[in-house]
Amino acid sequence: DGGITQSPKYLFRKEGQNVTLSCEQNLNHDAMYWYRQDPGQGLRLIYYSQIVNDFQKGDIAEGYSVSREKKESFPLTVTSAQKNPTAFYLCASKPGGSYNEQFFGPGTRLTVL
Amino acid sequence: ILNVEQSPQSLHVQEGDSTNFTCSFPSSNFYALHWYRWETAKSPEALFVMTLNGDEKKKGRISATLNTKEGYSYLYIKGSQPEDSATYLCAFNAGNNRKLIWGLGTSLAVNP
Repeated sequence: DGGITQSPKYLFRKEGQNVTLSCEQNLNHDAMYWYRQDPGQGLRLIYYSQIVNDFQKGDIAEGYSVSREKKESFPLTVTSAQKNPTAFYLCASKPGGSYNEQFFGPGTRLTVL
Repeated sequence: ILNVEQSPQSLHVQEGDSTNFTCSFPSSNFYALHWYRWETAKSPEALFVMTLNGDEKKKGRISATLNTKEGYSYLYIKGSQPEDSATYLCAFNAGNNRKLIWGLGTSLAVNP
């Protein structure tokens, strides 16, 4: 049963704490992406990775960090430097090839209290 | 700044109505245009990836057209059903940049 999993579905943290969001895929996809969704805004790219051990900043990378030590895993850490961390976070992956579609996980809603 | 605009923002139709939405994107440096459907409480799912001017793609009752010269794509739904209720997103891929620029989506509600 192939797919992308994100856990947990809902996450609550206190202000000032770092938190790591999990994203795992068993689709053997090369590329993985992290997006953030806020009300009234389109999906905004935080970080992406085209290959293991390599990743690039997206449009809103400040206050976030990622790693890509394994092909199937692309965790996102929301650090205390992120000024407005409360949001819905979506992870996606894509097979190699420029025109392929992205496959999305179910998302994690992070609330920082 | 690359901008992708979708209209209308939201739409309410009756079951059986046909409907269409628009996605506008920069006409220069076009590479690909993606359409996704995002149902409530589910993950976004790809509908179409369109790459050539004049492309027309179809999946069941849903079809899409592409005009890269003028920078727009239409998504059509024929005979809307309640299960078509979702937000329809388009995303623009410029040049050979791997990033997608996303529109805000059109929220469709189909009343039975």
